[in-house]
Amino acid sequence: GAGVSQSPSNKVTEKGKDVELRCDPISGHTALYWYRQRLGQGLEFLIYFQGNSAPDKSGLPSDRFSAERTGESVSTLTIQRTQQEDSAVYLCASSKLGRGAGANVLTFGAGSRLTVL
Amino acid sequence: SQQGEEDPQALSIQEGENATMNCSYKTSINNLQWYRQNSGRGLVHLILIRSNEREKHSGRLRVTLDTSKKSSSLLITASRAADTASYFCATDATNFGNEKLTFGTGTRLTIIP
Repeated sequence: GAGVSQSPSNKVTEKGKDVELRCDPISGHTALYWYRQRLGQGLEFLIYFQGNSAPDKSGLPSDRFSAERTGESVSTLTIQRTQQEDSAVYLCASSKLGRGAGANVLTFGAGSRLTVL
Repeated sequence: SQQGEEDPQALSIQEGENATMNCSYKTSINNLQWYRQNSGRGLVHLILIRSNEREKHSGRLRVTLDTSKKSSSLLITASRAADTASYFCATDATNFGNEKLTFGTGTRLTIIP
């Protein structure tokens, strides 16, 4: 597609429920990132996918968070047993250049705003 | 933890004035980038400066990089109301095989018409 697409744009859920957030990157972009942004805060790195290499999961805050990506296409971020502190905007970004290729210029999606009641 | 930190955290200026934001980082980098964010949603890439460059221009934007001080500045000249946004710097470390981008804490810029 022309840009990075994220769904849903807004999600309200009850504490303890599981949620799935989806990201469709730009076709041909080998790298894909998930970031979390709490209200008024900066971007918190969660996970980084680059082609068939093992993902960098060093930013995932707990084992309730997981993400998958099939090849160089869609990625899903799953949050199990959601807590109120998970409320944030979850941003996905993709780039044409990844590991060892130099500059990574990211194209961001509009984000998925998650509210946990 | 954040690799970069911007200052000031917030800046308000009159339309037409110049706005300067600074970014400091901790480790050696390949490149430094600046992004803009409107309305708390997706970020938009503004400009990239490589570690062997000292200054770069793009329209009303001027970026400088001082690798000895591990700092960068973003200057927006002749500011407009539409420049109101949050601005973030982002760096990718020189660790081989780990070029993920890490973002700073951001500067919230308000242009007063």
